[in-house]
Amino acid sequence: GQQVQQSPASLVLQEGENAELQCNFSSTATRLQWFYQHPGGRLVSLFYNPSGTKHTGRLTSTTVTNERRSSLHISSSQTTDSGTYFCAIDLNTGNYKYVFGAGTRLKVIA
Amino acid sequence: GGIITQTPKFLIGQEGQKLTLKCQQNFNHDTMYWYRQDSGKGLRLIYYSITENDLQKGDLSEGYDASREKKSSFSLTVTSAQKNEMAVFLCASSWGGAEQFFGPGTRLTVL
Repeated sequence: GQQVQQSPASLVLQEGENAELQCNFSSTATRLQWFYQHPGGRLVSLFYNPSGTKHTGRLTSTTVTNERRSSLHISSSQTTDSGTYFCAIDLNTGNYKYVFGAGTRLKVIA
Repeated sequence: GGIITQTPKFLIGQEGQKLTLKCQQNFNHDTMYWYRQDSGKGLRLIYYSITENDLQKGDLSEGYDASREKKSSFSLTVTSAQKNEMAVFLCASSWGGAEQFFGPGTRLTVL
């Protein structure tokens, strides 16, 4: 099966609504990162978060390592949040090889 | 802060042609990566390099070569371009395999 699974695959929100994006992985992750990609654009790092909770602005990332899951919470969504969100995980200790999920495509409408 | 540059931004080649993509970073990072992203899809790892002169295969290395000429630069060669590999190629770097930073990408078109 897939090593990194993201859900939902796509999501449409009204501006102001909250979103919860999930990332589940098949084995212990020593490194985990969340990215944002605007259509046709560069990947922007949102969080490097292998464990615990981190906040920046309206975004919160929570990783529960022993449950092999991470979430990205977007509060009070804005149309500029539209794009694709990826999680990427290094599944093997001491190995710098990252595996990416397929992404969650978010569209926020006014 | 630092920056990652990729050249060229757009690359057009003929089927069967050998093509080279270049990546430079000034973060002084030890680890560099090459990924391929097909339209509407996630990223797949082609090659990565933990230090200068090191080379590690990713899941998609067949049909590609890579070269870590020096700490700041990492090149990727498509050995024989095929029409089904039109994609965006993304370079990234990190320190010790931790937080990755990405370049803007090279969009490959094969005629």
